Amino acid sequence: DAGVIQSPRHEVTEMGQEVTLRCKPISGHNSLFWYRQTMMRGLELLIYFNNNVPIDDSGMPEDRFSAKMPNASFSTLKIQPSEPRDSAVYFCASSLGFSPSYEQYFGPGTRLTVT
Amino acid sequence: QKEVEQNSGPLSVPEGAIASLNCTYSDRGSQSFFWYRQYSGKSPELIMFIYSNGDKEDGRFTAQLNKASQYVSLLIRDSQPSDSATYLCAATTGGFKTIFGAGTRLFVKA
Repeated sequence: DAGVIQSPRHEVTEMGQEVTLRCKPISGHNSLFWYRQTMMRGLELLIYFNNNVPIDDSGMPEDRFSAKMPNASFSTLKIQPSEPRDSAVYFCASSLGFSPSYEQYFGPGTRLTVT
Repeated sequence: QKEVEQNSGPLSVPEGAIASLNCTYSDRGSQSFFWYRQYSGKSPELIMFIYSNGDKEDGRFTAQLNKASQYVSLLIRDSQPSDSATYLCAATTGGFKTIFGAGTRLFVKA
């Protein structure tokens, strides 16, 4: 079975440019999570969806960040405009259910570098 | 700020020894607790989850939870060099918000 798919795997962009990260969750999973990981701040939850509906976006750092889930098999995280401090690894994860006991399966991540 | 605290390490143990990883959490509303393993440059993968007080064993791994003390631990028996990684402790509230600790780096020396 295919796991969580993220694209691109690496992104290098200049400050001020728009960046769009993409995620395809595991088929049948109804919850999707976006995380950011840096050495300084560790793994931070940015936003999560259940049945394509955003449930909690309190982790989104600024209005420059936005996320959408137009259908059950696709989500995007957009940064506009990007800044050097946005450089991090962005992970998407999905889970089978909306309950604290369900395991989250992580994608391979997108390494974003903003110069 | 609801937090999950871990000793960053590195924790170094000889091959075959027991590695003990610890974690505390501040939100008493936390319901489930997870241990993820993350190899350098890779994504986190689930090792164990626990939501009841006591011990839970799975092969060489044992997770321990003490809700009164707000304490979670992971024991790795017969540690192998392949266990060398960063171990992330996570706590999830009823609202399904997951908070991760900063991780403990484990080195198992052959």
